[in-house]
Amino acid sequence: DAMVIQNPRYQVTQFGKPVTLSCSQTLNHNVMYWYQQKSSQAPKLLFHYYDKDFNNEADTPDNFQSRRPNTSFCFLDIRSPGLGDTAMYLCATSRLQGTYGYTFGSGTRLTVV
Amino acid sequence: DAKTTQPNSMESNEEEPVHLPCNHSTISGTDYIHWYRQLPSQGPEYVIHGLTSNVNNRMASLAIAEDRKSSTLILHRATLRDAAVYYCILRDMNDMRFGAGTRLTVKP
Repeated sequence: DAMVIQNPRYQVTQFGKPVTLSCSQTLNHNVMYWYQQKSSQAPKLLFHYYDKDFNNEADTPDNFQSRRPNTSFCFLDIRSPGLGDTAMYLCATSRLQGTYGYTFGSGTRLTVV
Repeated sequence: DAKTTQPNSMESNEEEPVHLPCNHSTISGTDYIHWYRQLPSQGPEYVIHGLTSNVNNRMASLAIAEDRKSSTLILHRATLRDAAVYYCILRDMNDMRFGAGTRLTVKP
């Protein structure tokens, strides 16, 4: 089945130690998104790629970076994680039109210790 | 950004219909109304979406007001597996931003 896969499912990292989360898709969607969801909160959009064009939300910290080497893969890099970055990170894909829905991965639960 | 307003929580009895309301008074003509739900420890799951006309699928129905300033997600027979946070979202071309959502509790 076509899907969005996030790895790892759970990640524990030390304060200040760089960490990379990955997302892959078999849907051939041209848009990929990263969301951050803290406990008991709604998902918050960090940034998205339309093909190779990167679009950053104005309030996304500089500590968060992203790479999209090809259509299928997208990475979230956190350069120096802080305790406040503990959250679920969700990857989603879609086509670039309002009529299309999003397909989400199961998320990576990141804990910074 | 066009925003949505939903009740924080709702309760339903199992096997009864549930009507989840959403207000979006600043909706623009090109915004699609999307509904997603999120079960505990999972990513959000697409439920249904529409533009102007009411929509039905195997999961739910979406009733859209004539002026498009509000909509209602209808679960025809709630089950315990429908307990989740339901998000009503307006989607434009580029991205989709979540509001706080409605936490639905289903009682046996």
